[in-house]
Amino acid sequence: AQSVTQPDIHITVSEGASLELRCNYSYGATPYLFWYVQSPGQGLQLLLKYFSGDTLVQGIKGFEAEFKRSQSSFNLRKPSVHWSDAAEYFCAVGARAAGNKLTFGGGTRVLVKP
Amino acid sequence: KAGVTQTPRYLIKTRGQQVTLSCSPISGHRSVSWYQQTPGQGLQFLFEYFSETQRNKGNFPGRFSGRQFSNSRSEMNVSTLELGDSALYLCASSEAGLDYEQYFGPGTRLTVT
Repeated sequence: AQSVTQPDIHITVSEGASLELRCNYSYGATPYLFWYVQSPGQGLQLLLKYFSGDTLVQGIKGFEAEFKRSQSSFNLRKPSVHWSDAAEYFCAVGARAAGNKLTFGGGTRVLVKP
Repeated sequence: KAGVTQTPRYLIKTRGQQVTLSCSPISGHRSVSWYQQTPGQGLQFLFEYFSETQRNKGNFPGRFSGRQFSNSRSEMNVSTLELGDSALYLCASSEAGLDYEQYFGPGTRLTVT
């Protein structure tokens, strides 16, 4: 069975500082990996995804993520955080054989200090 | 184009009642998935419908059911509501499989008293 772990429940970062959110997954084959962001009272918005190819993936809003098969990780990074990046971030894994079913991690809430 | 629409946005029900939630996908999308989001359990997959057929189902009791109509609109129903069913219910639509982006709606906030 697939599983996703986001070890950090909360992260506080100063505006302008870099951000890295950790994600570890468990899945036998090559997974489909996603990062979503959820602002208060909103649905989920896709930041980026990895299916195959280049292991460094660029997304929207200046985010990037790196797939490391040997570490079963898919960490999300942003070089310089803006106050508007305060939100909850979810890592998710899917499998082609399971249709559009996604298994989500528990989420990391990001607080941005001025 | 218009995004995913969920109605109603907020709902308060009493234990033992039943409820129906609606999701209108983006035009042209054939897949609709439903998720339950709670503080304790996080985001959990309920089921997915593709071209009116249930393609996948999560680990929820039979009180949770769904369907999809020929216009791809989907409904989910929860019968005999329990306090633990209080949650944000999100639906997501997609053109087809995981190679296509899933777009999430704003959710329906269900409170069971």
